[in-house]
Amino acid sequence: RKEVEQDPGPFNVPEGATVAFNCTYSNSASQSFFWYRQDCRKEPKLLMSVYSSGNEDGRFTAQLNRASQYISLLIRDSKLSDSATYLCVVSRTGANNLFFGTGTRLTVIP
Amino acid sequence: DTAVSQTPKYLVTQMGNDKSIKCEQNLGHDTMYWYKQDSKKFLKIMFSYNNKELIINETVPNRFSPKSPDKAHLNLHINSLELGDSAVYFCASSPRRDTAHGELFFGEGSRLTVL
Repeated sequence: RKEVEQDPGPFNVPEGATVAFNCTYSNSASQSFFWYRQDCRKEPKLLMSVYSSGNEDGRFTAQLNRASQYISLLIRDSKLSDSATYLCVVSRTGANNLFFGTGTRLTVIP
Repeated sequence: DTAVSQTPKYLVTQMGNDKSIKCEQNLGHDTMYWYKQDSKKFLKIMFSYNNKELIINETVPNRFSPKSPDKAHLNLHINSLELGDSAVYFCASSPRRDTAHGELFFGEGSRLTVL
């Protein structure tokens, strides 16, 4: 079973829409959680960390449910520039690397 | 100034050849990584070095050999290339060995195509 599972999409949404991505992780020893963004043919970049209490950064809200081993990312008022692949990422206690999901592809349409 | 730079960005080669990809970071980080991203976009760790010491060596064929001459450089040499080696190889660096902070700084990737 993969360490991190995501719906690959694609999600095609109109500008201004609200869109949510979900992700599940399999290892209960996972300790830290993140969302990365990867533009087409570019490198992944950290978008935001996900805290137990939930956190917001502008139009982006991340939430964590440890009991269900589930992470979400909500994007409000989508912009064309939000079009990218969003990678769910997990760090496990004792591991020295990050575990990446395969990503959810978002296309925001004018 | 590019923080993590990889060369070459594109590499097209024949099966059976040997090739190298170089990576350099100017961030002063102690930890560097090689990740492989396959055609299904799955990004998987291959190797990690901390201050020139190998700390992660995932199940990777021994045709792949990393080398870290100093903590700012981590190169990847691949012998006897196979079709299945075609992928994008990303170098990354991190300020700490512990990844709880979650921030890896990636290079732009090296797209390898084996014919």
